[in-house]
Amino acid sequence: KAGVTQTPRYLIKTRGQQVTLSCSPISGHRSVSWYQQTPGQGLQFLFEYFSETQRNKGNFPGRFSGRQFSNSRSEMNVSTLELGDSALYLCASSLYQAGELFFGEGSRLTVL
Amino acid sequence: QKEVEQDPGPLSVPEGAIVSLNCTYSNSAFQYFMWYRQYSRKGPELLMYTYSSGNKEDGRFTAQVDKSSKYISLFIRDSQPSDSATYLCAMALAQGAQKLVFGQGTRLTINP
Repeated sequence: KAGVTQTPRYLIKTRGQQVTLSCSPISGHRSVSWYQQTPGQGLQFLFEYFSETQRNKGNFPGRFSGRQFSNSRSEMNVSTLELGDSALYLCASSLYQAGELFFGEGSRLTVL
Repeated sequence: QKEVEQDPGPLSVPEGAIVSLNCTYSNSAFQYFMWYRQYSRKGPELLMYTYSSGNKEDGRFTAQVDKSSKYISLFIRDSQPSDSATYLCAMALAQGAQKLVFGQGTRLTINP
């Protein structure tokens, strides 16, 4: 059974650009969450989607947005990138709204 | 002050030793407590999941929760080099909540 797949795995952007990260959850999983991991702040919750609806949002500026498609795949977008957005972005999926989170390997974003 | 505090280590112990990892938290509303293990360049994977105060054992791993002290622990018995990883505690307000609050993570090395 394939795990959570995130693309791209690595990317480099410059300040002011925008980036879109993609997440394919485990087949059959309908809940997708996104987290940001940095050495200074650790793992921080970004947002959660279930059946194409955002159920919860963390304390991040509006530059961070996401969406979920009807096939449960999810994307997150960061606009007007800042140096501090350099991080590992992790996607997690869950079979239902109240289930164990299965994490992908992450997309490592470097902002220059 | 962070909601969840975890000593980042690093912690280095010989093979076979008992390892104790700890987290403290400030929000008494947390009800669900988890421990994740993260290998280098991988996403976190769930090790233990406990509700409220008490102990839970799974093989070589034991999780303890003391809500009165706002303190949780993970014990690893007969530690193995394959246990070398970063261990993250995480907490949630409600069952099945996808919004988890993580500790900073403790980097653990088991020396053969």
